[in-house]
Amino acid sequence: DAKTTQPTSMDCAEGRAANLPCNHSTISGNEYVYWYRQIHSQGPQYIIHGLKNNETNEMASLIITEDRKSSTLILPHATLRDTAVYYCIVRVLGSGGSNYKLTFGKGTLLTVNP
Amino acid sequence: NAGVTQTPKFRILKIGQSMTLQCTQDMNHNYMYWYRQDPGMGLKLIYYSVGAGITDKGEVPNGYNVSRSTTEDFPLRLELAAPSQTSVYFCASSYVGAGTEAFFGQGTRLTVV
Repeated sequence: DAKTTQPTSMDCAEGRAANLPCNHSTISGNEYVYWYRQIHSQGPQYIIHGLKNNETNEMASLIITEDRKSSTLILPHATLRDTAVYYCIVRVLGSGGSNYKLTFGKGTLLTVNP
Repeated sequence: NAGVTQTPKFRILKIGQSMTLQCTQDMNHNYMYWYRQDPGMGLKLIYYSVGAGITDKGEVPNGYNVSRSTTEDFPLRLELAAPSQTSVYFCASSYVGAGTEAFFGQGTRLTVV
C-alpha cells in the first residue's frame, strides 16, 4: 500500500470547518483513499472513502486532487466531539486477503477548541 | 445488530500466563482482523482471516495464534504472555469487495506484569 503523510496535530475552533490534509504521492491507480478516526482510544470509526471523485456523506467531505497525490478531509462544522486522531489510509482493492487490510500510520490529532 | 464485540474489555496477566481474547461479529462479514495499538502509535496488524478455516499472518504475529472455525468468531490466543504484549487489541471485520469499510470493536486493554 502507498505511504501517507499527515500533520501530527491541528487545531480548529468549534463551529468552523476542519480541513485535514493527507499526502499520498505514490498512490496507484487501483488504490482508494480511506479516512478513519479514533476518539480517545476507542475502536477506529470509518468516515469516508474515495477513488478519484470528490465524495460527501453525513459526516464529512473528501476532496481528492486531480493527480490523486493528495486529499483533504473536511468536517464542515467541527464540534468538540470531533476531537480525535484522524487516519488517512490508501488501500488497494483486489483479490487476496492481505489486500483488504488497513495499514495505519500515526494520523493527525485534531483538537476542536471551544 | 451488535456489530463487532470484544471480550474482555480489560485484563491483567502475569508473565507466562495465557489467555484468549474473544471477538465475534454479527454482520456475516467474511474478513476479520486483529490489530494491536501501543501507546501513541498507530494500529499494527497481527493476524487476519478471509473466511472460516483460513487465517494468515500480519505484521506482528509472533507470540499470538488465531483460529476461525465459524464466520462469526475470530479468537486471538496469547501463549506465554510477555510485558511487550501490553497493548490495546482491536478486532475488525469487513466484507470483501471494492469500496468496503471495516468495522472495529471497542478494544481489549491488556496489561502484562
